[in-house]
Amino acid sequence: DQQVKQNSPSLSVQEGRISILNCDYTNSMFDYFLWYKKYPAEGPTFLISISSIKDKNEDGRFTVFLNKSAKHLSLHIVPSQPGDSAVYFCAASPQTGANNLFFGTGTRLTVIP
Amino acid sequence: GAGVSQSPRYKVAKRGQDVALRCDPISGHVSLFWYQQALGQGPEFLTYFQNEAQLDKSGLPSDRFFAERPEGSVSTLKIQRTQQEDSAVYLCASSLRGEAFFGQGTRLTVV
Repeated sequence: DQQVKQNSPSLSVQEGRISILNCDYTNSMFDYFLWYKKYPAEGPTFLISISSIKDKNEDGRFTVFLNKSAKHLSLHIVPSQPGDSAVYFCAASPQTGANNLFFGTGTRLTVIP
Repeated sequence: GAGVSQSPRYKVAKRGQDVALRCDPISGHVSLFWYQQALGQGPEFLTYFQNEAQLDKSGLPSDRFFAERPEGSVSTLKIQRTQQEDSAVYLCASSLRGEAFFGQGTRLTVV
């Protein structure tokens, strides 16, 4: 049973526009959420995280929003750049630094120049 | 090196063959994880070490899978009598606290 879901397998966005990637989870015990970015033939690279005590975390062009009541989080990239084209994975954990991350199936973002 | 290093990058094994996959974590990282990523899927947890202690192996799919980290640094994931369903990318990650840093993975193809 998939506890973390990314229902959009792909997304295309024009350069300069906003990219919004969505993630839903089912386990109410999840307390810490991360986004990873993956280029072909490379391992996932940590992008940004948020703990459940916050509803927003911002790092440069990247902002993650968390809606605990809806069990939903999203990653906003503004402005989108061609170098952002990659697969983005949402991950969740019962606590910060916990040994087990539960990953979604990923969303392939293509930023069109 | 500065990052997590995995070897080999690619491995082709005949069905029934044993394989060993190596992971060199970031120096000083206490925690080490192994994940399996099938084609089109997200990474799935296999096992977790804190230093040399294997604290969680709940994700290992069968007793053909074995992992060790004898000195609390380098780790080896061993798969005995490989089957076609073992074909996947095997990712190693290490962390000090918070986010995990991943290696490039080993792509295993069982033919």
